[in-house]
Amino acid sequence: GNSVTQMEGPVTLSEEAFLTINCTYTATGYPSLFWYVQYPGEGLQLLLKATKADDKGSNKGFEATYRKETTSFHLEKGSVQVSDSAVYFCALSEGDSNYQLIWGAGTKLIIKP
Amino acid sequence: ETGVTQSPTHLIKTRGQQVTLRCSSQSGHNTVSWYQQALGQGPQFIFQYYREEENGRGNFPPRFSGLQFPNYSSELNVNALELDDSALYLCASSLAGVASPLHFGNGTRLTVT
Repeated sequence: GNSVTQMEGPVTLSEEAFLTINCTYTATGYPSLFWYVQYPGEGLQLLLKATKADDKGSNKGFEATYRKETTSFHLEKGSVQVSDSAVYFCALSEGDSNYQLIWGAGTKLIIKP
Repeated sequence: ETGVTQSPTHLIKTRGQQVTLRCSSQSGHNTVSWYQQALGQGPQFIFQYYREEENGRGNFPPRFSGLQFPNYSSELNVNALELDDSALYLCASSLAGVASPLHFGNGTRLTVT
């Protein structure tokens, strides 16, 4: 079945460092791919998405490119801030639905000043 | 606009009991989906409701059931609670359609003892 694998955390970086959180997936067909973020004490929020191969999703300085050849959707940011500390989830949608998401286990990101 | 609200925020139940969790969808949204998130894991899709009918279900037993009301709010009911049902239960609302993102509430933390 479909699945999402993301790098284990926690990932600890200093402020202004470059961030990469790896995400790979297994899927039949052509899923859409998502990154969600969960800040402490808050609900999940959509960070960015890509709906087809080679699409790049971007938001708040974060980027991820849908790579069908490597079945990856790695999250990157050039210069992280303390406020980026959160748990990041990679997810894919099955079929035509945008709700029946398959999720990775999440990666906790800690940014130190 | 009013976001997704869930109640209660925390709940403690005994094994074998029944529980009802509630969700008010974001203004203008007509679709509600429910997820179970165990500690340290990504969310698992339970089911989705659209136009007061279930139109998608994950791998959860029938003792997990739901309702959607004409105002698009929703309930998740779990009968015969088991210890493994202890988790964060997340509600997400959206507009029907592939491109519509999910908007999550902050969840209900259920503990079964």
